[in-house]
Amino acid sequence: AQSVAQPEDQVNVAEGNPLTVKCTYSVSGNPYLFWYVQYPNRGLQFLLKYITGDNLVKGSYGFEAEFNKSQTSFHLKKPSALVSDSALYFCAVRDRGTGGFKTIFGAGTRLFVKA
Amino acid sequence: KAGVTQTPRYLIKTRGQQVTLSCSPISGHRSVSWYQQTPGQGLQFLFEYFSETQRNKGNFPGRFSGRQFSNSRSEMNVSTLELGDSALYLCASSLGSDSVTFGSGTRLTVV
Repeated sequence: AQSVAQPEDQVNVAEGNPLTVKCTYSVSGNPYLFWYVQYPNRGLQFLLKYITGDNLVKGSYGFEAEFNKSQTSFHLKKPSALVSDSALYFCAVRDRGTGGFKTIFGAGTRLFVKA
Repeated sequence: KAGVTQTPRYLIKTRGQQVTLSCSPISGHRSVSWYQQTPGQGLQFLFEYFSETQRNKGNFPGRFSGRQFSNSRSEMNVSTLELGDSALYLCASSLGSDSVTFGSGTRLTVV
C-alpha cells in the first residue's frame, strides 16, 4: 500500500538560511508526488508536483523539490528562508488504485523561520 | 476560475446532533475528496466521490457518510456527533492525476 513519511514534526531555521523539509514515499508504481502548505485555519495550498521529467521541480514562492527514485525521497527545499514561510507543510503521493486516484498525505512538518 | 467552496466556514453543534457540510468543486472537476484534520491525528482521508459514486473510503465509522450530486457538488454528514469529531473538515477536488485543490475548510466544534 502506498504511504508517505515526513520524519520531522518540526523544522527550525533562521531567516536567510536554506531550508529542507524531508519526505519519503512508498508506492507500487510510478509516483505522482506533491507538496502543499497550510496556513492557520486555512485549507492546503498547492506548492509543486513531480509527475515525470526533471528530478528537480520548481514551484511557488521560490520552493523546489528534488525527486530521488533510488532513495524514494522528495525533499522540499528553499535556498533562503523567509519568516513568512513559517507554516505546516504536507508531502503527498497520488496513486492510481482499483478505485481510481487516491491522495495520501504525510503527517505534516511544521516549519518555523526565525528572524 | 472559482476555487473549491466549502460551507459553512464555522459550525458549533451539540453532542448527539447531526451535521451536514457542503462542498462545491472547481468547475469541471468530477472527483471530490473529504479529509478530517485534527491536531492529534493529522490529515485523515474520509472518502472520495467520482461521478456520484464513492470510489474510496477511509477508516471512519458509519456515522460519517457522504454523497455527490450530478453537478459534482458533494455533502458529508456526521450523525450522533461526539466531542472527538471536532476538527477542520477539508474538501478537495481534482481532475485525474493532477493535484488536488482544497477548499478553506469547515471548522466543526462539538460541545
